[in-house]
Amino acid sequence: EADIYQTPRYLVIGTGKKITLECSQTMGHDKMYWYQQDPGMELHLIHYSYGVNSTEKGDLSSESTVSRIRTEHFPLTLESARPSHTSQYLCASSQHTGLGNNSPLHFGNGTRLTVT
Amino acid sequence: AQSVTQPDIHITVSEGASLELRCNYSYGATPYLFWYVQSPGQGLQLLLKYFSGDTLVQGIKGFEAEFKRSQSSFNLRKPSVHWSDAAEYFCAGTLEDTGRRALTFGSGTRLQVQP
Repeated sequence: EADIYQTPRYLVIGTGKKITLECSQTMGHDKMYWYQQDPGMELHLIHYSYGVNSTEKGDLSSESTVSRIRTEHFPLTLESARPSHTSQYLCASSQHTGLGNNSPLHFGNGTRLTVT
Repeated sequence: AQSVTQPDIHITVSEGASLELRCNYSYGATPYLFWYVQSPGQGLQLLLKYFSGDTLVQGIKGFEAEFKRSQSSFNLRKPSVHWSDAAEYFCAGTLEDTGRRALTFGSGTRLQVQP
């Protein structure tokens, strides 16, 4: 049973279009993350958020931007899509326990983006 | 450099056979470690996690993993594989002390199960 939702599941779009990938969670988690995953490759963190109005860039440089206006919502936007943006994008969330690094991530099912 | 390594890109086992997926980490301290499974077209599901204490941890679906500090390893095992276990498996760990505490993932191991 999914408590973190990503839409759309699949998106094929032309070069130059603006797109927004949606991510919502119903668990009240403070932390949210966006990971990018190329087929057969490891996940790379591209954005994360500690809470409302808090966003940071991750390890992998990305031309995308994110916003966190509400706790449950963490959309990712590409202003002008390019073929190099073709990838799978996974959203995740975790609970801040205050006890250290031991909160596992909950992942959405991902959005597979293809830019033609 | 801090990293999580999964040496095997692809593994094929027969249904009913035992399974071991390897994971090594490079980090100055003991990280928190996780195994995730990703079925085709699905998101990631947590199989098990290690924080401290007993080095043999039990997870869902009959999986277990053993943390070995001396080998910097956290290998995933299952005594008898089922066809439904065919998926991609990711080892991950928290390798930093900053507040970000995001996971570092290995590159994944794709498991195929033969009848």
